Amino acid sequence: AQRVTQPEKLLSVFKGAPVELKCNYSYSGSPELFWYVQYSRQRLQLLLRHISRESIKGFTADLNKGETSFHLKKPFAQEEDSAMYYCALGGNAGGTSYGKLTFGQGTILTVHP
Amino acid sequence: DADVTQTPRNRITKTGKRIMLECSQTKGHDRMYWYRQDPGLGLQLIYYSFDVKDINKGEISDGYSVSRQAQAKFSLSLESAIPNQTALYFCATSDPGTSGTNEQFFGPGTRLTVL
Repeated sequence: AQRVTQPEKLLSVFKGAPVELKCNYSYSGSPELFWYVQYSRQRLQLLLRHISRESIKGFTADLNKGETSFHLKKPFAQEEDSAMYYCALGGNAGGTSYGKLTFGQGTILTVHP
Repeated sequence: DADVTQTPRNRITKTGKRIMLECSQTKGHDRMYWYRQDPGLGLQLIYYSFDVKDINKGEISDGYSVSRQAQAKFSLSLESAIPNQTALYFCATSDPGTSGTNEQFFGPGTRLTVL
């Protein structure tokens, strides 16, 4: 069974400090990993997907298949980064879980001034 | 812009009442999903539909039912609401057959309170 674990429910940092939101997964095939962000009272929106390997709003995430991790990082946090962050896993094409996402429990990031 | 919309945005109801939450999308996606969000539990999948004739239970379908009236519409019903169904409900869509990705697009959410 596929599973996504975000070990930190809450994470607080000060503005300008580095931040890392942890995500570990279990999946027997080749996963597709995402980070979604939910700002206060807004809908979930895609932040990153591992396939595109791009940096959005200064955030990056590298898929580490050996450690089954997809941690989200930003070198200098900003107050506007305060939000709920969800790590999500999608199955590979042709698999029974293709098209479905499994979400972690989420991490609330607070960036203090 | 193509979008996912949900009605109502907020709803307060009483225990035992029947309630329907509606989701519409103009993205042209075949696949639609209903999730509930609870603090500390993240997003849990209630039901999903890969096309108009396909309905599947998710992790927490008990107490809920759905109807896929058209490609663009997917409704979630609570036949007899109970207080522990108080939550934020999200609808989502995806189109992996065209996009080649599992990415999902979310509606703005419906905040439901059952008294």
